Amino acid sequence: AQTVTQSQPEMSVQEAETVTLSCTYDTSESDYYLFWYKQPPSRQMILVIRQEAYKQQNATENRFSVNFQKAAKSFSLKISDSQLGDAAMYFCAYRSLQGAQKLVFGQGTRLTINP
Amino acid sequence: GAGVSQSPSNKVTEKGKDVELRCDPISGHTALYWYRQSLGQGLEFLIYFQGNSAPDKSGLPSDRFSAERTGGSVSTLTIQRTQQEDSAVYLCASSALGNSGAETQYFGPGTRLLVL
Repeated sequence: AQTVTQSQPEMSVQEAETVTLSCTYDTSESDYYLFWYKQPPSRQMILVIRQEAYKQQNATENRFSVNFQKAAKSFSLKISDSQLGDAAMYFCAYRSLQGAQKLVFGQGTRLTINP
Repeated sequence: GAGVSQSPSNKVTEKGKDVELRCDPISGHTALYWYRQSLGQGLEFLIYFQGNSAPDKSGLPSDRFSAERTGGSVSTLTIQRTQQEDSAVYLCASSALGNSGAETQYFGPGTRLLVL
């Protein structure tokens, strides 16, 4: 079974600075997808970014980018120019291409933005 | 367009009562998922529906939990004889395809269930 680990329960960053959230995972599969979701206090899980394992190029979405290291099974999220609205819980998730293709989530990282 | 909706937003019930949680997926999405988010267990997969196929119930924690999806659209998660450990946020997600293609799962706002 796949597992996802987020080793940073909490992180904080000054507004306008850059922060990196860590995620590692364990799998024996070669093809899969990785996601970062954001969950603000409203509870709504919002997709931040996704990465296909077969793609070597790191995904980017505006101020959000990932560092995908397939061999190391690492998938970190970098947030540039942090904004107050970025404050939330961030979850890393793995999705197999087999079976139910359910999301396997990490424990989450609570990100605080300091003004 | 409209996103995934869930009702009720919050539910308080007494131990031993049955509850029903509803999910309206994004129109046209064939795959529907239920997850549970609790303090002790984090985010857990519960059940998956894909089109007219038999659901994958491998994540349901006990036989008190069941779910159905009518007409390939709305889904209801039922918890019978609720226990205090059932207290959690129940999240529903839908995606356009359940087959390889890894369509993104879009989440609803969740139902917070509190069992007294």
